[in-house]
Amino acid sequence: GESVGLHLPTLSVQEGDNSIINCAYSNSASDYFIWYKQESGKGPQFIIDIRSNMDKRQGQRVTVLLNKTVKHLSLQIAATQPGDSAVYFCAENSGNTPLVFGKGTRLSVIA
Amino acid sequence: EAQVTQNPRYLITVTGKKLTVTCSQNMNHEYMSWYRQDPGLGLRQIYYSMNVEVTDKGDVPEGYKVSRKEKRNFPLILESPSPNQTSLYFCASSPLPGGIGELFFGEGSRLTVL
Repeated sequence: GESVGLHLPTLSVQEGDNSIINCAYSNSASDYFIWYKQESGKGPQFIIDIRSNMDKRQGQRVTVLLNKTVKHLSLQIAATQPGDSAVYFCAENSGNTPLVFGKGTRLSVIA
Repeated sequence: EAQVTQNPRYLITVTGKKLTVTCSQNMNHEYMSWYRQDPGLGLRQIYYSMNVEVTDKGDVPEGYKVSRKEKRNFPLILESPSPNQTSLYFCASSPLPGGIGELFFGEGSRLTVL
């Protein structure tokens, strides 16, 4: 696969456990946030997004939490599965500015 | 099937030999963008286009050119590639103005410049 994940923070989780991936952002004006998943050899895929007027949003097995006070975003994956192994990126923007991506976190699921 | 298609997926070239990486989307998106992805640096934007004939520099435009003559195509041009342009390149498109919201990514183009 593609070696895009060198030098990344890594989170190892037992299959079936919940995963929490964190992201800190610096721009207090950011009002839109997205999580992407990138599997080996593929392009990033949209998982879930949240606007700054919310602090929580749930999808299928995933939840995004936004804490604007400390500029922190997290992605929670329930009942983590081997197929969840990937690199996860947060991204943010404000107004019409292009998305700014974080450097990513590698999630490894231990069967 | 809605998709963003990049070609070539893999390319090895030599310094100074002009090359073009093509990108095409079939979703009628106005916004398109090119990123490069390097270990430890994440995704960095090279150029983006809000619409036909409208292009703007991203964070790392040096050494690259783009054009947007049609809505569906957004080629990335390396006029004189150098080894520091060895990277994994992604094209993306978005249905929303300014690229706000979900970006749809291609599968990536791995470029090696010797």
